[in-house]
Amino acid sequence: DAGVTQSPTHLIKTRGQQVTLRCSPKSGHDTVSWYQQALGQGPQFIFQYYEEEERQRGNFPDRFSGHQFPNYSSELNVNALLLGDSALYLCASSYPQGPETQYFGPGTRLLVL
Amino acid sequence: AQKVTQAQTEISVVEKEDVTLDCVYETRDTTYYLFWYKQPPSGELVFLIRRNSFDEQNEISGRYSWNFQKSTSSFNFTITASQVVDSAVYFCALSEFMTTDSWGKFQFGAGTQVVVTP
Repeated sequence: DAGVTQSPTHLIKTRGQQVTLRCSPKSGHDTVSWYQQALGQGPQFIFQYYEEEERQRGNFPDRFSGHQFPNYSSELNVNALLLGDSALYLCASSYPQGPETQYFGPGTRLLVL
Repeated sequence: AQKVTQAQTEISVVEKEDVTLDCVYETRDTTYYLFWYKQPPSGELVFLIRRNSFDEQNEISGRYSWNFQKSTSSFNFTITASQVVDSAVYFCALSEFMTTDSWGKFQFGAGTQVVVTP
């Protein structure tokens, strides 16, 4: 039973660039959520995708966008990178009903220079 | 608005000691779920336990146990007979149920670093 996978594991970008992170959900899950975790802090909810649409969104600017594909995999795009975007980006998958347990991937560590 | 507070930033214990992690939450919903996750140095959040707001029965699962008290909005987590492999950051999280615009939004605490030394 494959768990949540994310790619790449590490990424280095410079300010102003754009980045795309990828996530494949756990087998049987069709809902994907993205979180940003700054160093020493808890994860912060970015958004959630279900049926290829953004269902929920946290307090993140429009520079953060996403997409979900028919096979339930998802992408997180961040435009015009800022130094403050340096963080661990976590993807979680779940069933679609409300507060279902979310299962997390290993994350992508993004460093913006 | 929902909020989760983990007042302990770091707890250091010697192997075989018990460790209790505190979690206090705020929510206006009457139906919600509480979770504990473990984050080892590798970074992946590992699901440990889940409890819904209607079930205040405290349970034990192996070396893990939890104490859910709705009256004080607390959801504490205990590791019994700690081991070095328990060293990690532990997060408490809240997910509301009745407010549809909160579905799927996990609110995490800041985490508690647990250090277990041999």
